[in-house]
Amino acid sequence: DTAVSQTPKYLVTQMGNDKSIKCEQNLGHDTMYWYKQDSKKFLKIMFSYNNKELIINETVPNRFSPKSPDKAHLNLHINSLELGDSAVYFCASSRGPGEQFFGPGTRLTVL
Amino acid sequence: GQNIDQPTEMTATEGAIVQINCTYQTSGFNGLFWYQQHAGEAPTFLSYNVLDGLEEKGRFSSFLSRSKGYSYLLLKELQMKDSASYLCAVRGPGGYQKVTFGTGTKLQVIP
Repeated sequence: DTAVSQTPKYLVTQMGNDKSIKCEQNLGHDTMYWYKQDSKKFLKIMFSYNNKELIINETVPNRFSPKSPDKAHLNLHINSLELGDSAVYFCASSRGPGEQFFGPGTRLTVL
Repeated sequence: GQNIDQPTEMTATEGAIVQINCTYQTSGFNGLFWYQQHAGEAPTFLSYNVLDGLEEKGRFSSFLSRSKGYSYLLLKELQMKDSASYLCAVRGPGGYQKVTFGTGTKLQVIP
């Protein structure tokens, strides 16, 4: 049973395209997150949702738009992709302030 | 804001003990996490400290001193599979969702 799943696992696309990454958790958690991990392995929070409500939006360009249709899902849509968007994007979830469970990551490569 | 420092890399011998240090500066402290991340995989939770002292969990222990802004992760009886990056993460002010990760310490265990 997968706890936190993401699709796709790999995403290769051209500059200027629009793409989406999907995340689902079956842990019954109320809080979900998106992180970006760059080539230097620095893990930086982008967004956090609690019960479908946006709680954290960390100075992310507005080309990035998260969407939480329900507590178990948090998707990330990226418009007009740029070279600098290439990274691994991790979704995570937690039950309140408990530890975060991470998805397997989506490796995005922008050409 | 928050500032978290960890050594970039460490090497230790199989069967030995290694201590990975983390120092932090934050305007408000609400707990410290340690995560393990194997290459190409997602971070997984190891420990959480919110009060001063040592938390032991099998071969892994984590220590916190809030007055010194200092934590360490102690790994005993090192195994080859412990080769991974170890991420220190601090929960600061601004809600429990706001967790800031350090750049991680890459540990290599050698025979």
